Amino acid sequence: GAVVSQHPSRVICKSGTSVKIECRSLDFQATTMFWYRQFPKQSLMLMATSNEGSKATYEQGVEKDKFLINHASLTLSTLTVTSAHPEDSSFYICSAHRDWGTQYFGPGTRLLVL
Amino acid sequence: RKEVEQDPGPFNVPEGATVAFNCTYSNSASQSFFWYRQDCRKEPKLLMSVYSSGNEDGRFTAQLNRASQYISLLIRDSKLSDSATYLCVVNDGRYSYNTDKLIFGTGTRLQVFP
Repeated sequence: GAVVSQHPSRVICKSGTSVKIECRSLDFQATTMFWYRQFPKQSLMLMATSNEGSKATYEQGVEKDKFLINHASLTLSTLTVTSAHPEDSSFYICSAHRDWGTQYFGPGTRLLVL
Repeated sequence: RKEVEQDPGPFNVPEGATVAFNCTYSNSASQSFFWYRQDCRKEPKLLMSVYSSGNEDGRFTAQLNRASQYISLLIRDSKLSDSATYLCVVNDGRYSYNTDKLIFGTGTRLQVFP
C-alpha cells in the first residue's frame, strides 16, 4: 500500500513559537495533499488542500497566515503553525491523494503548546 | 445537521459476534464511499471502499443505498483486534479528481471483549 510519513510525531513547544510539520509520500507522487486536525473525540476536520506548485486552499475558518502550507515537490508538503497558542494543541494529520477519492494518511503529529 | 452521521457507540461485543454499523450522509453529490478504521491515537487507515453493488472483504461486508443515502458495515466473527473506531467517509463530489475532499463521520467505537 501507499506510504505517507509525517515528522515529527510529537511536539511540545512554548506559546508563541512556530512549529513545522512535514508530510512525505514515500512511494508515490502526490500532486495534492490534505491537512487535517483532530481534537479529542471529534472527527477529522479538513484544514486545507495543498497543491504542488500552487497556493493552498484553506477551509472556512482556518487562518492562512497562521497555518502556512508549502507544497514544493510532488512528495513533500509542510504545515507551519505560526505563533502557536495552547488552543492550537491538537492532532495534525496529513494525507496524500493517490487514486480517485482515496487518501493515504500519515501517522499524525501531536502538538502540545504550553 | 452533520454531513455524515454515525452512532458513536461504543458497541461492546464478545469475540465471534457479528456487529453492524450504519451511516447516513446528506450530500447527494457524493460518489465515493469508504470505511476507515482508526485506532486510539493513530491515523485513519482505509478499511474498504464501498460500491453500489455491495462488496465483501473477508469478514467485512459493506453496503450502499444511494436512494436512502445510507452506508453500512458488517463485521462477522469479531476479533479482539477489530477493536477500534470505524469512520464512515464520503467524498465531497464537487471538486476535480485530485482535489476532491473527504468528509468524515465522527466514528463508531467498537470494543470486542474475550
